[in-house]
Amino acid sequence: EAQVTQNPRYLITVTGKKLTVTCSQNMNHEYMSWYRQDPGLGLRQIYYSMNVEVTDKGDVPEGYKVSRKEKRNFPLILESPSPNQTSLYFCASSLSRLNEQFFGPGTRLTVL
Amino acid sequence: QKEVEQNSGPLSVPEGAIASLNCTYSDRGSQSFFWYRQYSGKSPELIMSIYSNGDKEDGRFTAQLNKASQYVSLLIRDSQPSDSATYLCAVNSASGGGADGLTFGKGTHLIIQP
Repeated sequence: EAQVTQNPRYLITVTGKKLTVTCSQNMNHEYMSWYRQDPGLGLRQIYYSMNVEVTDKGDVPEGYKVSRKEKRNFPLILESPSPNQTSLYFCASSLSRLNEQFFGPGTRLTVL
Repeated sequence: QKEVEQNSGPLSVPEGAIASLNCTYSDRGSQSFFWYRQYSGKSPELIMSIYSNGDKEDGRFTAQLNKASQYVSLLIRDSQPSDSATYLCAVNSASGGGADGLTFGKGTHLIIQP
């Protein structure tokens, strides 16, 4: 089954404790992206990747890192999480930047 | 700054009627247009994609694009209670610089009344 998977689905952590949210797709998509969704602010892009080893900042990249060492994986790293990073996070992938994006199930992160 | 505007609603429509959702966008270089449906706490699900001016129909859904007016709409015929959700308009652009990828509207909350 073609899909985007994310782990963990739920995470409660404390300020400053490094964490990684994994994202994997099995559709051989070149383009991958991370979004956060907050009430009243909608979906905002954090980082994106056009292909392996090619990543760039989105609208709200501060406090986040990403890497794209393999085509299928695009982990999101929070080196020192803060409470303002409490949000619902989605990973998405598509054939190219102009094609429809398919979303993972989401990761609900709470930083205390 | 690319912007995508939607009426937040709620838009209330009787079961069986046509629901009409609208979206305007600011970037004239936009090339790809999408409608996603999102249930509360769930991930966005692609409903329709449209790339050229005119109408595109898929089952009960019709997407309409007017690039001259920078306007895209979604019609849902024979609305069902299961169509109650938030509908997100998303626009992509070929223009470079800054953030890349989809720009989302904040969504329209649709309620289908049985």
